Amino acid sequence: GAVVSQHPSRVICKSGTSVKIECRSLDFQATTMFWYRQFPKQSLMLMATSNEGSKATYEQGVEKDKFLINHASLTLSTLTVTSAHPEDSSFYICSASSGSGGRAQETQYFGPGTRLLVL
Amino acid sequence: QKEVEQNSGPLSVPEGAIASLNCTYSDRGSQSFFWYRQYSGKSPELIMFIYSNGDKEDGRFTAQLNKASQYVSLLIRDSQPSDSATYLCAVKGSGGSNYKLTFGKGTLLTVNP
Repeated sequence: GAVVSQHPSRVICKSGTSVKIECRSLDFQATTMFWYRQFPKQSLMLMATSNEGSKATYEQGVEKDKFLINHASLTLSTLTVTSAHPEDSSFYICSASSGSGGRAQETQYFGPGTRLLVL
Repeated sequence: QKEVEQNSGPLSVPEGAIASLNCTYSDRGSQSFFWYRQYSGKSPELIMFIYSNGDKEDGRFTAQLNKASQYVSLLIRDSQPSDSATYLCAVKGSGGSNYKLTFGKGTLLTVNP
């Protein structure tokens, strides 16, 4: 149980284009989904938290107009990197929680990640 | 600034030995603590979590929590080469940020055959 998928697994795009990444919870309903970014040899940095049907909460320093998040259903959240630039190249990972995440026992289950390379 | 500190390693142990991974955290109100394993180029996978003081065992893995010392550890018994990975300690926040995980930078473990 607790399987999270991401698509695509890898994407290469030209500078200035937009890229959409999908995150799906396959066998549970994800009330809350999280989007992280990880640069080489760095830890995971939380970008934003999304709850189904409401606007995402972005972490300080993350541009909400550049990283558009939509959590339209309890099994799907999307991250769109708009007007991507080479510095946006990174490993983007989503995670999902069946609850709001606030209870001590609630864990986050991670998707396999999407490696984005912007040329 | 809530912080989670881990020794970056690399920690190198021979096959069959016990690997000990440590983590300290700054937010005294933190309630729960997670250990994830991340293989190179892959996303993290949950090993176990703990939220009560003391030890929690799951197979070859034991998590230990000491809230007074703000310290959590992971012991891996009978280490195998397949255990070679980066181990991430994550701490769930308190108060209004109790849904977020703050990650340490990870400890790279190498188990030598």
